[in-house]
Amino acid sequence: EPEVTQTPSHQVTQMGQEVILRCVPISNHLYFYWYRQILGQKVEFLVSFYNNEISEKSEIFDDQFSVERPDGSNFTLKIRSTKLEDSAMYFCASRPTSGGGETQYFGPGTRLLVL
Amino acid sequence: AQSVSQHNHHVILSEAASLELGCNYSYGGTVNLFWYVQYPGQHLQLLLKYFSGDPLVKGIKGFEAEFIKSKFSFNLRKPSVQWSDTAEYFCAVLRPSGGYNKLIFGAGTRLAVHP
Repeated sequence: EPEVTQTPSHQVTQMGQEVILRCVPISNHLYFYWYRQILGQKVEFLVSFYNNEISEKSEIFDDQFSVERPDGSNFTLKIRSTKLEDSAMYFCASRPTSGGGETQYFGPGTRLLVL
Repeated sequence: AQSVSQHNHHVILSEAASLELGCNYSYGGTVNLFWYVQYPGQHLQLLLKYFSGDPLVKGIKGFEAEFIKSKFSFNLRKPSVQWSDTAEYFCAVLRPSGGYNKLIFGAGTRLAVHP
């Protein structure tokens, strides 16, 4: 069964550094999402992406964040200058356009630790 | 603001006990409802979903949930839990709008099943 994959599984970085989290959505899906979960808190929506542009973003998704689909398979989340409070588990999700199209399929997550 | 409440943060059960995890949401319009499960070290997996029709929905691994519109609830149930059901369970609401659709998650319930 096709799955969403994410790399790396864990990333440790210094405050102020740039990180890029990578996701490979399911191949026939066209809607993509990033969510995050700070330890002990809820899973929160960050951004949705469709047709090569952001369709919706939360207040968390400020100018330090960006998303990109650089080729036909990858979907990346970049944090330009990480802060301590960016430490969280970041989940990528994707969904098809039809045929149960409201179900989002999640990747295993990237655990980001900012020191 | 739209929110999702899960009543129990931690539940401890013995094998063969019955399970009911509460979920309430605040939005009054049309919603799609989901339960996701996250086994230790794994990604979020869809357990079951409700879009329309029969308010009692059956999911994988013997789980079911009942949508009660008047109570804004979507509680998850399983008549007899197994040790392998140890995981974190997330209720989520999706309000269809414009096609992009973000999920709003509850805080999660961590279930531990003892043999």
